[in-house]
Amino acid sequence: AQSVAQPEDQVNVAEGNPLTVKCTYSVSGNPYLFWYVQYPNRGLQFLLKYITGDNLVKGSYGFEAEFNKSQTSFHLKKPSALVSDSALYFCAVRDVGLRLAFGKGNQVVVIP
Amino acid sequence: DTGVSQNPRHKITKRGQNVTFRCDPISEHNRLYWYRQTLGQGPEFLTYFQNEAQLEKSRLLSDRFSAERPKGSFSTLEIQRTEQGDSAMYLCASSGFNSDGYTFGSGTRLTVV
Repeated sequence: AQSVAQPEDQVNVAEGNPLTVKCTYSVSGNPYLFWYVQYPNRGLQFLLKYITGDNLVKGSYGFEAEFNKSQTSFHLKKPSALVSDSALYFCAVRDVGLRLAFGKGNQVVVIP
Repeated sequence: DTGVSQNPRHKITKRGQNVTFRCDPISEHNRLYWYRQTLGQGPEFLTYFQNEAQLEKSRLLSDRFSAERPKGSFSTLEIQRTEQGDSAMYLCASSGFNSDGYTFGSGTRLTVV
């Protein structure tokens, strides 16, 4: 089965500083990778995905992610964090049966 | 189209009662997925439908859980004889034929007391 790992529980960053949320993957074949964000008591909002093509993927709300095949990573980045970016972030990979397999999530706290 | 809709948003029930949740996917999406999310964890796959056919069920889906998608449109998830361990957020998602994009609903938060 395909899987992703998000090694950090919480990421703290000062407002205006760059934000990075880490994700590594384990797949057989070509990975389909996704990032979602979740605000309290809400569902998941799609940020971006990598299917094929350019390794740098641009998504919603100024987020981007870099697909690195040699390091099996798909880190989420934002050049300048906002307080409103404080949320729970999930990396996911498309698994067998076309379902998504999620990481445990990273809580991002942007400090004003 | 307003996206994936889930009802109710919140449900509090007594242990042993049955509950049913509904999911209305994006109308042109033929695939529908149910996930369960407990506090501090990522969503875990429960089951998925392609049109009206239920194609896969996770081992997490015990005999007390049943899901249907009778006409290939909306889906229901029923939990019989609820237990406190069933307390979680139940998320529904839908995708098109290519399954390269998944849209999630806002979820139903179940609390079993």
